[in-house]
Amino acid sequence: NAGVTQTPKFRVLKTGQSMTLLCAQDMNHEYMYWYRQDPGMGLRLIHYSVGEGTTAKGEVPDGYNVSRLKKQNFLLGLESAAPSQTSVYFCASSYETGGITEAFFGQGTRLTVV
Amino acid sequence: DAKTTQPNSMESNEEEPVHLPCNHSTISGTDYIHWYRQLPSQGPEYVIHGLTSNVNNRMASLAIAEDRKSSTLILHRATLRDAAVYYCILRDVVHSSGSARQLTFGSGTQLTVLP
Repeated sequence: NAGVTQTPKFRVLKTGQSMTLLCAQDMNHEYMYWYRQDPGMGLRLIHYSVGEGTTAKGEVPDGYNVSRLKKQNFLLGLESAAPSQTSVYFCASSYETGGITEAFFGQGTRLTVV
Repeated sequence: DAKTTQPNSMESNEEEPVHLPCNHSTISGTDYIHWYRQLPSQGPEYVIHGLTSNVNNRMASLAIAEDRKSSTLILHRATLRDAAVYYCILRDVVHSSGSARQLTFGSGTQLTVLP
């Protein structure tokens, strides 16, 4: 089982460049999330999706866009990277049914913007 | 949103039990208590969750106070591989939807296991 796979694992961008982070899950989960984690801090939600074709803003959405064209994929885009977006990005997915729910996380993408 | 309070750090000796506390005095009746942990350089992973009764699984046990204002994650025999940041998270999956379903991570407890 692959679970949640993030691509790429590492990336260095110059200020102003754009890039797309890909998250893929093979568990048929409805919910998918993008988080960022800055050094020594907990994860903060950027955007999330409750199903194919739907996206919504989380706690820190500025500077990011997302798309969920297929149920299994959730893309995070940076249109014009800034040094403040240097962080580790985690994707997660979950199958929401009552209180019995468990989120699965990818291994993270370490992004450095110089 | 109901919040949780955890100690910043704890130490344990290898092969000894570890009790990781979490206070959540404003918990609502439909908040589930979830625990996740994050090993170094990895994404968080689910550990255990519960509502009212104590819970056991292969990784840990969760002891929930009768008034539900606090809970304790119990690792029965800590190993070096259990060194991680442990997050206690409340999640109302009955009345919430959308962003309220997100896992809200605080700063967690950094567990150090000493050999």
